Amino acid sequence: EIVLTQSPGTLSLSPGEGATFSCRASQSITYTSLAWYQQKPGQAPRLLIYGASNRATGIPDRFSGSGSGTDFTLSISRLEPEDFAVYYCQQYQQFATSVPTFGGGTKVEIK
Amino acid sequence: QVQLQQWGAGLLKPSETLSLTCAVSGGSFTNYYWTWIRQSPGKGLEWIGENNHRGSSRYNPSLQSRVTISVDTSKKHVSLSLASVTAADSAVYFCTRSWSSGYYSDSWGQGTLVTVSS
Repeated sequence: EIVLTQSPGTLSLSPGEGATFSCRASQSITYTSLAWYQQKPGQAPRLLIYGASNRATGIPDRFSGSGSGTDFTLSISRLEPEDFAVYYCQQYQQFATSVPTFGGGTKVEIK
Repeated sequence: QVQLQQWGAGLLKPSETLSLTCAVSGGSFTNYYWTWIRQSPGKGLEWIGENNHRGSSRYNPSLQSRVTISVDTSKKHVSLSLASVTAADSAVYFCTRSWSSGYYSDSWGQGTLVTVSS
């Protein structure tokens, strides 16, 4: 099983600032099969990024993803009030014997 | 726009069977895999398993002996059954859609809180 470690656990930032957080895998993820989700309290996660760098439908371009192998990054260029939430990464492998796994999350809170 | 509406019993006693159903509307049912994912404070997000209209099911090895995911294509329903629950199975359970086996989830149900307590 691939273990994903997200850092930092919490980011305290102000609206308008940029945010960058990390997702590190215990082994190399093939085909950049890494997704990012945003979750707000009481809601289901929402897909932001798939394939490490592809924005999902309707996701603003202030969100961007990058990385390969074991190190991946999600960046938010200018935080809007609605961006304060918890962000999770997920690794996935089509038709693989191993199952998809998630990181523990990074909380972005208002400073 | 696809919608996933889920329901089921929210309070169970240890050793009972968890049963949840998810109704899919507004989109294709046969072009996707349908998954269940749960979220608890202790274990975070955990992939439970998947199935599709052909019955190609796959489960998390940690739950495989207790879990069944079934689909009813005529009703566009996906169901989760988890036997012999314990307090460790207390979580919010989500029904989700993936376009391929083992893939990311691009649509999610609203979530159902399940609590296991004697």
